[in-house]
Amino acid sequence: GQNIDQPTEMTATEGAIVQINCTYQTSGFNGLFWYQQHAGEAPTFLSYNVLDGLEEKGRFSSFLSRSKGYSYLLLKELQMKDSASYLCAVWDSNYQLIWGAGTKLIIKP
Amino acid sequence: TAGITQAPTSQILAAGRSMTLRCTQDMRHNAMYWYRQDLGLGLRLIHYSNTAGTTGKGEVPDGYSVSRANTDDFPLTLASAVPSQTSVYFCASRERPGGSYNEQFFGPGTRLTVL
Repeated sequence: GQNIDQPTEMTATEGAIVQINCTYQTSGFNGLFWYQQHAGEAPTFLSYNVLDGLEEKGRFSSFLSRSKGYSYLLLKELQMKDSASYLCAVWDSNYQLIWGAGTKLIIKP
Repeated sequence: TAGITQAPTSQILAAGRSMTLRCTQDMRHNAMYWYRQDLGLGLRLIHYSNTAGTTGKGEVPDGYSVSRANTDDFPLTLASAVPSQTSVYFCASRERPGGSYNEQFFGPGTRLTVL
């Protein structure tokens, strides 16, 4: 079966750094996405990784290791507005997106 | 640009009734998708359409039907609603299906409660 695992919830302090992990087991791999979803809103795109390594985009970075079936999203200089759920999704061999249940990130002042 | 619009925003529906959730995009995207999102579960694909005139079944298609008469519209119909269809429904679109990288854009969602 296909499976994507993320922690259910994480707590961090404003101004700090947090790393959200995602491990996957899918039938094929054609890329990994991270989306942000604020409560009651639609998911919005954050990053896409298809090759191993780190992709940096401002305060957010995403890392991928295909051999380990592992990715993480790194958020630096946390702001209160970063409180949201972060969804990991993998493109399988049929280019369908398989979604993790999401990690709810709580930022405390 | 509006992007993707969905209607209604929320709805309470009696079990056994039928309902159509509407989705319209103005980005001329070829691929469109319907997902449901339930607490503790990831987004699950209900149906998809790679281009106007074609549709396909996703992970959880039972009890739902779709049509894609044109590029912009992708309605989702519940023929006879059951309480297990209580969920938040998201419509999404992508410029092209298949392997070339392009992100999915999501509509604002429809919150459906079936009693």
